[in-house]
Amino acid sequence: AQRVTQPEKLLSVFKGAPVELKCNYSYSGSPELFWYVQYSRQRLQLLLRHISRESIKGFTADLNKGETSFHLKKPFAQEEDSAMYYCALWHPNAGGTSYGKLTFGQGTILTVHP
Amino acid sequence: DGGITQSPKYLFRKEGQNVTLSCEQNLNHDAMYWYRQDPGQGLRLIYYSQIVNDFQKGDIAEGYSVSREKKESFPLTVTSAQKNPTAFYLCASSPPRRRYTEAFFGQGTRLTVV
Repeated sequence: AQRVTQPEKLLSVFKGAPVELKCNYSYSGSPELFWYVQYSRQRLQLLLRHISRESIKGFTADLNKGETSFHLKKPFAQEEDSAMYYCALWHPNAGGTSYGKLTFGQGTILTVHP
Repeated sequence: DGGITQSPKYLFRKEGQNVTLSCEQNLNHDAMYWYRQDPGQGLRLIYYSQIVNDFQKGDIAEGYSVSREKKESFPLTVTSAQKNPTAFYLCASSPPRRRYTEAFFGQGTRLTVV
């Protein structure tokens, strides 16, 4: 069965320090992975997706199929990065349909101190 | 203003009562989802619907019911059978399946049983 694990509930760093939020997944197929972010008093929103290989707000995430990981990284954290971060795995329904669902990890609360 | 709207923002319920949470979207999305967010447990999928008049149970469907009579609407009923209903509920929608489709979230409803 598909599963997403974020081992850290809380992560604290100082401004300017590197930050890495860990995500591991369990899935038998070819994974489609995302990072979502929820800032204080805002909606949960997409941060980035692995297929795009993009950098959003200085964050990057590389899919490592060997380690089944999709860790989120930023070389220099900023105070405005403080938020709840969720790793998510999209997987299709059985039967080869185009429909599916998103499974989320437990989330990591990142706090960046001044 | 396009988007996904949940109402009410806060809801109080007496034990033994059913209560219905509203979710409406004007994004013309086919798929809609209900998640429950609890501290330390992340987002857990309750129900999801890919098309009108069809829906599937998620991981924690017991004590909940849904309907999908219109594309725009996906109400969630929390029944008296739900043992621990106090939580933050999030509704989401996504467009017809394309590769790496993004999910859009509402602002949530906080339900408290008193």
